[in-house]
Amino acid sequence: GAVVSQHPSWVICKSGTSVKIECRSLDFQATTMFWYRQFPKQSLMLMATSNEGSKATYEQGVEKDKFLINHASLTLSTLTVTSAHPEDSSFYICSARDQGGSGYTFGSGTRLTVV
Amino acid sequence: QKEVEQNSGPLSVPEGAIASLNCTYSDRVSQSFFWYRQYSGKSPELIMSIYSNGDKEDGRFTAQLNKASQYVSLLIRDSQPSDSATYLCAVIPPGTGFQKLVFGTGTRLLVSP
Repeated sequence: GAVVSQHPSWVICKSGTSVKIECRSLDFQATTMFWYRQFPKQSLMLMATSNEGSKATYEQGVEKDKFLINHASLTLSTLTVTSAHPEDSSFYICSARDQGGSGYTFGSGTRLTVV
Repeated sequence: QKEVEQNSGPLSVPEGAIASLNCTYSDRVSQSFFWYRQYSGKSPELIMSIYSNGDKEDGRFTAQLNKASQYVSLLIRDSQPSDSATYLCAVIPPGTGFQKLVFGTGTRLLVSP
């Protein structure tokens, strides 16, 4: 089945630094990938839709200059959290739709802790 | 009104019982519906998708869709302790050109041995 690989699985960074998270579709091409954020005991909130070769579409309230998304190829999307602060600590999850499948495949998630 | 609503639970059932999880959605013309299971600290995994009115069965799981009532449910038969997790209902709202998935808050299920 469709596999989406997400790295790193966890990261701790200092406040003010930037962190890059990678999301790769391993056995299919994903023209569109999605980035979610999940705070403890809350549901997944869509942050942005990443489109190969074009600018990402951000959801209302998500700062596009803070959460930089790059989708340079059909198998790779990256999310960079710039100038991270403790309130950015969360579980970040990417997903992609396998065009031949019936659902969306999720990466394993990245636990970001900003200290 | 939220696009997708679920009771947060927890829903507690004994092992072997049927667990019934419910979800309502706000946009009548939504077409695609999904149930995901999420264990604590893990990413969601797809249980089932459903697109047409009626029931869809897969092993111990049955999804039910009623578009007139804007209601989708998930039944888990012969519940096992390993089914204890948060179950997320998700919908593709109409008008989303990129087919984005919108999640409910999830229902926590606890299956006791």
